[in-house]
Amino acid sequence: DGGITQSPKYLFRKEGQNVTLSCEQNLNHDAMYWYRQDPGQGLRLIYYSQIVNDFQKGDIAEGYSVSREKKESFPLTVTSAQKNPTAFYLCASSIKRGGASPLHFGNGTRLTVT
Amino acid sequence: DAKTTQPTSMDCAEGRAANLPCNHSTISGNEYVYWYRQIHSQGPQYIIHGLKNNETNEMASLIITEDRKSSTLILPHATLRDTAVYYCIVRVRNAGNMLTFGGGTRLMVKP
Repeated sequence: DGGITQSPKYLFRKEGQNVTLSCEQNLNHDAMYWYRQDPGQGLRLIYYSQIVNDFQKGDIAEGYSVSREKKESFPLTVTSAQKNPTAFYLCASSIKRGGASPLHFGNGTRLTVT
Repeated sequence: DAKTTQPTSMDCAEGRAANLPCNHSTISGNEYVYWYRQIHSQGPQYIIHGLKNNETNEMASLIITEDRKSSTLILPHATLRDTAVYYCIVRVRNAGNMLTFGGGTRLMVKP
């Protein structure tokens, strides 16, 4: 079945270390997104990419970086500059930019930094 | 994107219809209404969306008022597996697929 795979489901890191979260999709979607969710809150957009080799900052990009070298992959790096990295991270994709196409989400990676 | 207002929580008896309201009084003419739900520790799941006509799919029905200032998501026969947080979002077509999720409604389906 087609879908979005995020790995790992749980990730633990020490403060000061960079960590990369994986997101792979086999839906042949052009656009991909990273969101962050904190307990009891909605989702906030970190970065998005409408096409390979191009990406844009979302509302809370500071302390994060991304790459989009392949259509199916959009990894997110949480750097040591991110002040509050512990959160639930969600990757999503959609068919194309604009239009009314909905987002499809992965099942998330829960990152804990101590 | 227009702001949405939803009740914080709702209960529904198993087998009965769950009606989840959403107010979006500042919605513009080209903004769609989307509904997603999120079961604990999983990614949000797309349910349905619409512009001005009522919509129905295998999961739910979406009723949008004539003035488009509010909408209702209807789960016709709620099951325990429908217990989740339901998010109502309005989004401008062709503005990219960035979505801003608010707090949503926590629906508890009870036996």
